[in-house]
Amino acid sequence: DAGVTQSPTHLIKTRGQQVTLRCSPKSGHDTVSWYQQALGQGPQFIFQYYEEEERQRGNFPDRFSGHQFPNYSSELNVNALLLGDSALYLCASSNREGPYGYTFGSGTRLTVV
Amino acid sequence: GQSLEQPSEVTAVEGAIVQINCTYQTSGFYGLSWYQQHDGGAPTFLSYNGLDGLEETGRFSSFLSRSDSYGYLLLQELQMKDSASYFCAPVPSPSGNTGKLIFGQGTTLQVKP
Repeated sequence: DAGVTQSPTHLIKTRGQQVTLRCSPKSGHDTVSWYQQALGQGPQFIFQYYEEEERQRGNFPDRFSGHQFPNYSSELNVNALLLGDSALYLCASSNREGPYGYTFGSGTRLTVV
Repeated sequence: GQSLEQPSEVTAVEGAIVQINCTYQTSGFYGLSWYQQHDGGAPTFLSYNGLDGLEETGRFSSFLSRSDSYGYLLLQELQMKDSASYFCAPVPSPSGNTGKLIFGQGTTLQVKP
């Protein structure tokens, strides 16, 4: 049973560019959350999707947007990249009905130069 | 506001027992979860306390006291592979699987031979 799959694993972009990160949730999971993790810090919540809608959002600017597809997979888009957007981006999936527990992917390491 | 406090670093030797404390101030939470993250890897769900008291899962146990806004993770029979970062995260919903997780900076555990 595949867990959470994220692509790409690494990415280098130039300041001002746009990026799209992808996530396939664990089988049986219907909820996808995105987190940003800077080096040496804990993950910071970006937003959560279920039923193809953004349900909750953290303190991130509108440059960060997302989408969830009917098959529960999700995309994270970041526009007008800043150097400070360099981080590990983690996708976590869960099932709203339980049992408790989020399954995280290994993340996409984004470097903005 | 919301805050989480964990020790930044803990060092212990193989075979020993270590306790990682977590104090929090956050409104509207229903339980406390713990995640392990090896360097550069995906956070992995370890345990969830939905009620006060002790939960045991193999070598790991977790405790919650809502009245004290306090919890801890207890790792027994430490192994070298336990060297990782450990995060406590209050759970924001009754089902546990929706809403954002708030992570602190985590505790880096170093296990020495």
